[in-house]
Amino acid sequence: DTEVTQTPKHLVMGMTNKKSLKCEQHMGHRAMYWYKQKAKKPPELMFVYSYEKLSINESVPSRFSPECPNSSLLNLHLHALQPEDSALYLCASSQNTGSSYNEQFFGPGTRLTVL
Amino acid sequence: GDSVTQMEGPVTLSEEAFLTINCTYTATGYPSLFWYVQYPGEGLQLLLKATKADDKGSNKGFEATYRKETTSFHLEKGSVQVSDSAVYFCALRGSFGNEKLTFGTGTRLTIIP
Repeated sequence: DTEVTQTPKHLVMGMTNKKSLKCEQHMGHRAMYWYKQKAKKPPELMFVYSYEKLSINESVPSRFSPECPNSSLLNLHLHALQPEDSALYLCASSQNTGSSYNEQFFGPGTRLTVL
Repeated sequence: GDSVTQMEGPVTLSEEAFLTINCTYTATGYPSLFWYVQYPGEGLQLLLKATKADDKGSNKGFEATYRKETTSFHLEKGSVQVSDSAVYFCALRGSFGNEKLTFGTGTRLTIIP
């Protein structure tokens, strides 16, 4: 299984809502990532988890809260978002973070719209 | 810091034409280099990679060679198909256990029948 799955595929939320994005992989990877991608732009790294511990937070606002309950799952909790947070949110995983050889496998993304 | 400079798009070609998308990079040490493809409405898929100088990555008829002397990793395909229409991202990952992927700006490719 070389797949990263993400749910939901689409999400529309108001600025006062709380929602969560979910990501799952069963490749035994120990590094997982959240990216944000705006239209016609490359993905921007948000968070990196390595062995279920947060290792990188790219100065992301606290209205985004990541969680890694176990080595296969990665969540992104959303609260009090702004319309400018509307984007495609991509999850990725890699074998680990210790080598530049390890490619990242991406999920299909969740398209988020904040009203 | 690390950076990737990618050919500006959009690129429009006729079916069966030869494709080149230029990519150059700046990085310390010996990064690994990647090409990712993003089809409309989808996530990124790894197309090919190369992890050391003179390595050639290849997949689905696409090729790219890691040229350290010119710091380049140009993507080529001899005969493109309509199904190759997508956005292509060149990316590098640093050589010191750096988890971050540095992406180019992406090149939108459209193939017309």
